Amino acid sequence: NAGVTQTPKFRVLKTGQSMTLLCAQDMNHEYMYWYRQDPGMGLRLIHYSVGEGTTAKGEVPDGYNVSRLKKQNFLLGLESAAPSQTSVYFCASSYLGGNTGELFFGEGSRLTVL
Amino acid sequence: EDQVTQSPEALRLQEGESSSLNCSYTVSGLRGLFWYRQDPGKGPEFLFTLYSAGEEKEKERLKATLTKKESFLHITAPKPEDSATYLCAVQARNYGQNFVFGPGTRLSVLP
Repeated sequence: NAGVTQTPKFRVLKTGQSMTLLCAQDMNHEYMYWYRQDPGMGLRLIHYSVGEGTTAKGEVPDGYNVSRLKKQNFLLGLESAAPSQTSVYFCASSYLGGNTGELFFGEGSRLTVL
Repeated sequence: EDQVTQSPEALRLQEGESSSLNCSYTVSGLRGLFWYRQDPGKGPEFLFTLYSAGEEKEKERLKATLTKKESFLHITAPKPEDSATYLCAVQARNYGQNFVFGPGTRLSVLP
């Protein structure tokens, strides 16, 4: 059972380039999330989804887009990368929408924007 | 503004030396407070959920407690494998799916 899988694990971009991070979960969870983690700061929610075909903005959505075409996949896109988007990105999923606080996280994708 | 702070920022303990980590929060209408453990280069791993003041949860050497303004993670007789960053998060009744995470406490347990 793989849980939550993120690809790629590492990526270096130049300012203005675009890219997509892929998150896949095999637990049949309805809810999926994208967070970013920066040094000295807590995890911050970018976007989330409460089911296939749905997306919603989190705390820091600007500069990112997401799609949930299939229940098991949640894609995070950067259309025009900026140095401020250098961060570690974590995908998470949950069964009960976080009502129990139990989110299952992937291992992270480290993105550097030059 | 709703926020979560954690102290200390870093803590070094000798194996067997018990201590506590603090999570202080200001939030309107707490729905739940959560503790996670994060190992270097890994994603956070869920530990506990606390819903109301006075509640306690235990798991092996860890015990989490909750008051109206803060939570403590007590570590009894820690071992080197307890070394990790411990994250606290809160969910308010009007947040929906947005958990507010603290910056974490980096714990090192020396043999």
